[in-house]
Amino acid sequence: KQEVTQIPAALSVPEGENLVLNCSFTDSAIYNLQWFRQDPGKGLTSLLLIQSSQREQTSGRLNASLDKSSGRSTLYIAASQPGDSATYLCAVIVTDKLIFGTGTRLQVFP
Amino acid sequence: DAGVIQSPRHEVTEMGQEVTLRCKPISGHNSLFWYRQTMMRGLELLIYFNNNVPIDDSGMPEDRFSAKMPNASFSTLKIQPSEPRDSAVYFCASSFRSNGYNEQFFGPGTRLTVL
Repeated sequence: KQEVTQIPAALSVPEGENLVLNCSFTDSAIYNLQWFRQDPGKGLTSLLLIQSSQREQTSGRLNASLDKSSGRSTLYIAASQPGDSATYLCAVIVTDKLIFGTGTRLQVFP
Repeated sequence: DAGVIQSPRHEVTEMGQEVTLRCKPISGHNSLFWYRQTMMRGLELLIYFNNNVPIDDSGMPEDRFSAKMPNASFSTLKIQPSEPRDSAVYFCASSFRSNGYNEQFFGPGTRLTVL
């Protein structure tokens, strides 16, 4: 059974720091991997989708990498801002199904 | 586009009552997903439909849970009878499925509290 774990579970940093969020999965037979952001009381917003044939994707200050062989993905956030405060979820994609990680709750303070 | 619409946004009910959650997917999407989010178990897929047909309901926890999709623009998730452990946020998501994986778009969720 596929298990997806994220560390750290929570992170509090001052504004301007560069951050790395980690996601690990137990079964490398995945199609793709996706990172989401969830604000309190809201739904999920897709940040980056990495196809299984790719090793990374970038969008603005965000960069996500994927290493299927080691069962790991990282989300790098450059020059963090208070508006980045949210919970970040990774999800491995097997056919049509998303299997979510446990999430990292990020707080960026001014 | 209004995105995925869910109703109600909040529901408080008493144990034993029937609860019906509703979802309107994005127009033109042909896949619909129901998820549940709790502190203990995180986000879990309950059931998903392709072209209004249930494809995988292995995540539905018990027979008390049922889902229907009578047409391409509407789906319901029903819990009967409800129990306190059903308290969670229930999300609906939709996508346009063609070849390979297609991005799912999530609704704002329904926060269910069963007393």
